Amino acid sequence: DAKTTQPPSMDCAEGRAANLPCNHSTISGNEYVYWYRQIHSQGPQYIIHGLKNNETNEMASLIITEDRKSSTLILPHATLRDTAVYYCIVRVAGGSSNTGKLIFGQGTTLQVKP
Amino acid sequence: GAVVSQHPSRVICKSGTSVKIECRSLDFQATTMFWYRQFPKQSLMLMATSNEGSKATYEQGVEKDKFLINHASLTLSTLTVTSAHPEDSSFYICSAVVGVRLGGTDTQYFGPGTRLTVL
Repeated sequence: DAKTTQPPSMDCAEGRAANLPCNHSTISGNEYVYWYRQIHSQGPQYIIHGLKNNETNEMASLIITEDRKSSTLILPHATLRDTAVYYCIVRVAGGSSNTGKLIFGQGTTLQVKP
Repeated sequence: GAVVSQHPSRVICKSGTSVKIECRSLDFQATTMFWYRQFPKQSLMLMATSNEGSKATYEQGVEKDKFLINHASLTLSTLTVTSAHPEDSSFYICSAVVGVRLGGTDTQYFGPGTRLTVL
């Protein structure tokens, strides 16, 4: 699977939007971009994923550039509970006979400050 | 989202004993589950892929005789750490795969993790 590059840490003011970047310049056409986050001492939490179109759900928005070489996760109104390590992962599409592994990098530690 | 549970959440054992950790998908069936290990201040490291009804596939460097994985049903996978030693102390996390449902690909959901301390 393609590797990703994320900044090691970021700060964000409470109530403001948090924009977390991710570079995946070697992504293949059949690879999806997944975002997870891990709050201290808990299992990772699924946030969102996408292929090439922008995606939005109740947690966040995912903006993928047209060339698919980078993406941005947006938390529209960050709260203190959003403080966590955020992982951007690319992997091949999964199906009944091909479930791609998630290979975690170091992620971005987001600190939301009051 | 789908719910995955793990039991126990914490376990302390003596060196040389074996410890079993359970991973359950509560509201869906999971043909495939994964086991990860995480040391302090490090990222998750994939240990093995667990497929229902077949042998697990281990990542390079993971001892299959030490970390026994059984996936006997579509909702349960177990990881047994045999003859545990202090260096096996870690945070063990499982994930279960929800089949193709969202946006053309499957999604992994994670359990809350099990903290193993070997004395």
